Parts: sequence; C-alpha cells; structure tokens
Amino acid sequence: EVQLVESGGGLVQPGGSLKLSCAASGFTFSGSAMHWVRQASGQGLEWVGRIRSKANSYATAYAASVKGRFTISRDDSKNTAYLQMNSLQTDDTAVYYCTRLQASAWYNWFDPWGQGTLVTVSS
Amino acid sequence: QSVLTQPPSASGTPGQRVTISCSGSSSNTGSNTVNWYQQFPGTAPKLLIYGNNQRPSGVPDRFSGSKSGTSASLAISGLQSEDEADYYCAVWDDSLNGWVFGGGTKLTVL
Repeated sequence: EVQLVESGGGLVQPGGSLKLSCAASGFTFSGSAMHWVRQASGQGLEWVGRIRSKANSYATAYAASVKGRFTISRDDSKNTAYLQMNSLQTDDTAVYYCTRLQASAWYNWFDPWGQGTLVTVSS
Repeated sequence: QSVLTQPPSASGTPGQRVTISCSGSSSNTGSNTVNWYQQFPGTAPKLLIYGNNQRPSGVPDRFSGSKSGTSASLAISGLQSEDEADYYCAVWDDSLNGWVFGGGTKLTVL
C-alpha cells in the first residue's frame, strides 16, 4: 500500500523551530519528488515547497512566504522527507501535509497525501 | 487571496449536475494542466482529476474535468450526498515557480 505518514507537529512559541518528518512506504521513494503543502484552519491549501530526487540533484524550491525560514531535506535510506521550520510565526499555524509528485510524459499531480500533522505557533 | 479563483460554494440536489470553475492566468492555467482534489472535513485531500480531464482509477466517471483557455471546470453529474466536500483546483505557475491552489469550493448536496 502506498502511504505517507507525517509526524513531528506540536505547539511552538513564535520565533521557535520545529522539524516535521514524512515517512514513505509502498513506492520507490528515492526516485520521487516530495512536496509539502499546508492548510490553516478553515482555509485553503498552500504549497510550501519541494525536494527533487538524487537524479535531479536534490533540488529544492520554496514558496515566497517560507523562503529563508523553512528547509526541506530527505534521507533516501530511511524513505523519509523532512521539513525544518525556523523563525516560526503565528500565521505558520496549519496542518502540514507531505505529498508525492507523480509525473507522466504530459502531466504532474500530487498523489498520495499523508494524513497531515498540526503545527500550532502560539505563546 | 488565491492565485486561482474558485466560487466559495456550490450546491445541488441529488441527481443533478453541478460544475465548479477555476479561473487563472496565462502563467498557470493558460499554459499548464489542471488537477482537482476532493477533501472531506478533517481528512487529507484526495486526487480527483489530473491532466485537466484524466480520472485516476477508482474515481467514478460521474466526475469529469475540462479546460479552455485560462479557465478549468470540474463537473459532477448524478450528484450524490457523499459528494458533499471541498474541492480544490491546482496547477503549476510558471511565473511564481511553484504550485498554486484555488481557494476551494464547498459543495453542498441539498
């Protein structure tokens, strides 16, 4: 079964740091680009960033709202992607999902998605 | 304010056909394919349509997608109560160099 499981969420004070993990199973993780998407309570989905595979030099990219504060990494030996979040702000409070980018010759899409992990930034 | 514009709500009665629009620009919907996701309260999004109009296996053929110019649409025919959910469009944006989502449409089955 193809599955993604996030962990590491919790309560953190403004200005603090948190590291999320995304454990993958059921597919060739090392060959997949992994993305993070977040959703504030009652709000829509917001793309956070991605990391490509080793074949694509582990290239990363980020949304403007998190660039310079968030870092995505991966450990292919553990089939796990990470999201390091620094200098957290109250508007970073959201459920964070990891998802795999699937690609064909013509299309790209996100599937599957993890169950999400809640990050709350509050004093 | 989302880059892609969706109506915040839509509704229909069982058996009806409803459509949800997704409007973007030349840098996103105008040049790349659109995906649609379905999300029930408290759960993760689920892929519904990819590549404008491709259905993953397991998605009923009541769901269909289309795109024309810079606008895309999701159509649901033979509406059922279990279709009540939030629906999001998503596409790569060449100018922002990132993925963008619509604000979401809450579908109510009356």
